[in-house]
Amino acid sequence: ETGVTQSPTHLIKTRGQQVTLRCSSQSGHNTVSWYQQALGQGPQFIFQYYREEENGRGNFPPRFSGLQFPNYSSELNVNALELDDSALYLCASSSDGSAKNIQYFGAGTRLSVL
Amino acid sequence: AQRVTQPEKLLSVFKGAPVELKCNYSYSGSPELFWYVQYSRQRLQLLLRHISRESIKGFTADLNKGETSFHLKKPFAQEEDSAMYYCALTTYSSASKIIFGSGTRLSIRP
Repeated sequence: ETGVTQSPTHLIKTRGQQVTLRCSSQSGHNTVSWYQQALGQGPQFIFQYYREEENGRGNFPPRFSGLQFPNYSSELNVNALELDDSALYLCASSSDGSAKNIQYFGAGTRLSVL
Repeated sequence: AQRVTQPEKLLSVFKGAPVELKCNYSYSGSPELFWYVQYSRQRLQLLLRHISRESIKGFTADLNKGETSFHLKKPFAQEEDSAMYYCALTTYSSASKIIFGSGTRLSIRP
Protein backbone atom coordinates (compact mmCIF):
# COMPACT_ATOMS: atom_id res chain seq x y z
CA GLU A 1 0.00 0.00 0.00
CA THR A 2 1.41 3.39 -1.05
CA GLY A 3 0.96 6.30 1.33
CA VAL A 4 0.23 9.94 0.55
CA THR A 5 3.11 11.63 -1.23
CA GLN A 6 3.59 15.34 -1.78
CA SER A 7 5.96 17.26 -4.00
CA PRO A 8 8.05 19.28 -3.77
CA THR A 9 9.14 19.07 -0.14
CA HIS A 10 10.37 22.65 -0.04
CA LEU A 11 9.73 25.65 -2.25
CA ILE A 12 10.83 29.28 -2.24
CA LYS A 13 8.85 31.88 -4.17
CA THR A 14 8.63 35.64 -4.27
CA ARG A 15 5.58 37.75 -3.61
CA GLY A 16 3.21 37.92 -6.59
CA GLN A 17 4.33 34.62 -8.11
CA GLN A 18 2.18 31.55 -8.62
CA VAL A 19 2.83 28.07 -7.21
CA THR A 20 1.53 24.56 -7.81
CA LEU A 21 1.79 21.85 -5.17
CA ARG A 22 1.13 18.21 -5.93
CA CYS A 23 -0.29 15.29 -3.99
CA SER A 24 -0.72 11.61 -4.75
CA SER A 25 -3.40 10.01 -2.64
CA GLN A 26 -3.07 6.72 -0.84
CA SER A 27 -4.02 3.70 -2.91
CA GLY A 28 -7.79 3.14 -2.87
CA HIS A 29 -8.63 6.66 -1.66
CA ASN A 30 -10.90 8.90 -3.74
CA THR A 31 -10.95 12.03 -1.57
CA VAL A 32 -8.19 14.59 -1.10
CA SER A 33 -8.16 17.47 1.37
CA TRP A 34 -5.66 20.32 1.53
CA TYR A 35 -4.61 22.16 4.66
CA GLN A 36 -2.41 25.15 5.45
CA GLN A 37 -0.40 24.95 8.65
CA ALA A 38 1.25 28.15 9.80
CA LEU A 39 4.02 28.00 12.38
CA GLY A 40 2.66 27.15 15.81
CA GLN A 41 -0.87 26.55 14.54
CA GLY A 42 -2.99 23.55 13.73
CA PRO A 43 -3.80 22.70 10.12
CA GLN A 44 -6.43 24.96 8.54
CA PHE A 45 -8.81 23.38 6.01
CA ILE A 46 -8.47 24.87 2.52
CA PHE A 47 -10.72 22.61 0.44
CA GLN A 48 -11.57 19.03 -0.37
CA TYR A 49 -11.95 17.18 -3.65
CA TYR A 50 -14.09 14.10 -4.09
CA ARG A 51 -14.13 12.28 -7.43
CA GLU A 52 -12.71 15.32 -9.24
CA GLU A 53 -15.24 17.82 -7.83
CA GLU A 54 -14.70 20.39 -5.09
CA ASN A 55 -16.60 19.10 -2.06
CA GLY A 56 -16.20 21.87 0.50
CA ARG A 57 -14.06 24.91 1.08
CA GLY A 58 -12.63 26.73 4.08
CA ASN A 59 -12.10 30.46 4.52
CA PHE A 60 -9.49 30.94 1.82
CA PRO A 61 -9.67 33.44 -1.05
CA PRO A 62 -10.29 32.36 -4.67
CA ARG A 63 -6.58 32.67 -5.51
CA PHE A 64 -6.32 29.29 -3.78
CA SER A 65 -7.63 26.76 -6.28
CA GLY A 66 -7.32 23.07 -6.87
CA LEU A 67 -7.79 20.15 -9.16
CA GLN A 68 -8.27 16.44 -8.77
CA PHE A 69 -7.42 14.06 -11.58
CA PRO A 70 -9.04 10.75 -12.61
CA ASN A 71 -6.36 8.84 -10.68
CA TYR A 72 -7.39 10.91 -7.61
CA SER A 73 -4.09 12.76 -7.39
CA SER A 74 -4.49 16.47 -6.76
CA GLU A 75 -2.94 19.88 -7.20
CA LEU A 76 -3.16 23.01 -5.10
CA ASN A 77 -2.56 26.25 -6.98
CA VAL A 78 -1.94 29.58 -5.30
CA ASN A 79 -1.86 32.76 -7.40
CA ALA A 80 -0.50 36.18 -6.48
CA LEU A 81 1.49 34.85 -3.54
CA GLU A 82 1.57 36.93 -0.38
CA LEU A 83 4.08 36.80 2.45
CA ASP A 84 1.41 35.30 4.75
CA ASP A 85 1.11 32.32 2.43
CA SER A 86 4.39 31.04 3.86
CA ALA A 87 3.40 27.82 5.62
CA LEU A 88 3.44 24.05 5.52
CA TYR A 89 0.83 22.75 3.09
CA LEU A 90 -0.56 19.35 3.93
CA CYS A 91 -2.49 16.99 1.74
CA ALA A 92 -4.61 14.22 3.20
CA SER A 93 -6.53 11.45 1.50
CA SER A 94 -9.48 9.40 2.66
CA SER A 95 -11.92 6.83 1.35
CA ASP A 96 -15.66 6.22 1.28
CA GLY A 97 -17.73 4.32 3.78
CA SER A 98 -17.15 3.97 7.49
CA ALA A 99 -13.61 5.30 7.20
CA LYS A 100 -14.76 8.42 5.32
CA ASN A 101 -13.57 10.85 7.93
CA ILE A 102 -10.20 9.24 8.68
CA GLN A 103 -7.54 11.27 6.93
CA TYR A 104 -4.09 10.02 5.98
CA PHE A 105 -1.58 12.82 5.72
CA GLY A 106 1.41 13.45 3.54
CA ALA A 107 4.64 14.89 4.88
CA GLY A 108 3.80 18.31 3.49
CA THR A 109 5.33 20.98 1.27
CA ARG A 110 7.00 23.87 3.03
CA LEU A 111 6.43 27.07 1.07
CA SER A 112 8.43 30.19 1.80
CA VAL A 113 7.33 33.45 0.18
CA LEU A 114 9.96 36.19 0.16
CA ALA B 1 -19.16 28.53 14.08
CA GLN B 2 -17.27 25.32 14.58
CA ARG B 3 -14.19 25.66 16.75
CA VAL B 4 -11.73 23.44 18.60
CA THR B 5 -9.83 24.80 21.56
CA GLN B 6 -6.75 23.25 23.13
CA PRO B 7 -5.90 25.54 26.03
CA GLU B 8 -2.40 24.20 26.69
CA LYS B 9 0.39 24.81 24.20
CA LEU B 10 2.80 22.73 26.25
CA LEU B 11 2.26 20.01 28.83
CA SER B 12 5.23 18.51 30.63
CA VAL B 13 4.86 15.50 32.93
CA PHE B 14 7.13 12.91 34.46
CA LYS B 15 7.32 9.38 33.11
CA GLY B 16 4.74 7.24 34.89
CA ALA B 17 2.52 10.18 35.79
CA PRO B 18 -1.04 10.52 34.45
CA VAL B 19 -1.61 12.64 31.37
CA GLU B 20 -4.66 14.66 30.38
CA LEU B 21 -4.67 16.78 27.24
CA LYS B 22 -7.66 19.10 27.17
CA CYS B 23 -9.90 19.72 24.19
CA ASN B 24 -13.12 21.71 24.04
CA TYR B 25 -15.22 22.20 20.97
CA SER B 26 -17.98 24.45 19.72
CA TYR B 27 -20.56 22.94 17.38
CA SER B 28 -24.33 22.93 17.58
CA GLY B 29 -24.89 19.56 15.89
CA SER B 30 -23.47 16.08 16.43
CA PRO B 31 -19.75 16.19 15.76
CA GLU B 32 -17.23 13.47 15.22
CA LEU B 33 -14.12 14.03 17.31
CA PHE B 34 -10.57 12.84 16.74
CA TRP B 35 -7.13 13.03 18.23
CA TYR B 36 -4.25 13.21 15.78
CA VAL B 37 -0.60 12.89 16.82
CA GLN B 38 2.65 13.96 15.24
CA TYR B 39 5.82 12.33 16.54
CA SER B 40 9.18 13.94 15.87
CA ARG B 41 10.08 13.81 12.17
CA GLN B 42 6.93 11.86 11.32
CA ARG B 43 3.75 12.88 9.57
CA LEU B 44 0.46 13.67 11.23
CA GLN B 45 -1.50 10.49 11.95
CA LEU B 46 -4.76 9.49 13.55
CA LEU B 47 -4.49 8.39 17.18
CA LEU B 48 -8.15 7.72 17.93
CA ARG B 49 -11.70 8.73 17.08
CA HIS B 50 -14.56 8.93 19.53
CA ILE B 51 -16.93 6.63 17.67
CA SER B 52 -14.44 3.77 17.89
CA ARG B 53 -14.33 3.95 21.68
CA GLU B 54 -10.92 2.27 21.61
CA SER B 55 -7.80 2.58 23.70
CA ILE B 56 -4.80 3.23 21.48
CA LYS B 57 -1.29 3.12 22.97
CA GLY B 58 -2.96 3.35 26.37
CA PHE B 59 -4.78 6.59 25.47
CA THR B 60 -8.53 7.02 25.79
CA ALA B 61 -10.85 9.94 25.14
CA ASP B 62 -14.50 10.28 26.05
CA LEU B 63 -16.86 12.64 24.31
CA ASN B 64 -18.74 14.73 26.87
CA LYS B 65 -21.52 16.51 25.01
CA GLY B 66 -22.69 18.38 28.10
CA GLU B 67 -19.28 19.97 28.61
CA THR B 68 -18.44 19.91 24.87
CA SER B 69 -15.12 18.29 25.69
CA PHE B 70 -13.01 15.45 24.33
CA HIS B 71 -10.04 15.24 26.66
CA LEU B 72 -7.27 12.73 25.96
CA LYS B 73 -6.08 10.69 28.91
CA LYS B 74 -3.44 8.14 29.74
CA PRO B 75 -2.89 6.79 33.26
CA PHE B 76 0.88 6.29 33.03
CA ALA B 77 2.93 8.39 30.62
CA GLN B 78 5.83 6.87 28.69
CA GLU B 79 8.76 8.69 27.12
CA GLU B 80 7.64 7.65 23.64
CA ASP B 81 4.41 9.60 24.16
CA SER B 82 6.32 12.85 23.66
CA ALA B 83 4.76 14.41 20.56
CA MET B 84 2.45 17.11 19.25
CA TYR B 85 -1.23 16.28 19.78
CA TYR B 86 -4.09 17.84 17.84
CA CYS B 87 -7.76 17.56 18.67
CA ALA B 88 -10.00 17.72 15.61
CA LEU B 89 -13.68 17.87 14.78
CA THR B 90 -15.72 17.07 11.73
CA THR B 91 -19.40 17.04 10.93
CA TYR B 92 -21.49 14.41 9.25
CA SER B 93 -22.09 16.51 6.18
CA SER B 94 -20.62 15.47 2.86
CA ALA B 95 -17.75 17.93 3.02
CA SER B 96 -15.82 16.05 5.71
CA LYS B 97 -14.18 19.33 6.62
CA ILE B 98 -11.95 18.71 9.60
CA ILE B 99 -11.28 21.53 12.03
CA PHE B 100 -8.12 21.24 14.07
CA GLY B 101 -7.16 22.81 17.35
CA SER B 102 -3.85 24.61 17.67
CA GLY B 103 -2.19 21.61 19.27
CA THR B 104 -0.54 20.68 22.57
CA ARG B 105 3.08 19.64 22.78
CA LEU B 106 3.41 16.81 25.30
CA SER B 107 6.85 16.39 26.81
CA ILE B 108 7.54 13.40 29.04
CA ARG B 109 10.42 13.86 31.45
CA PRO B 110 12.43 10.78 32.47
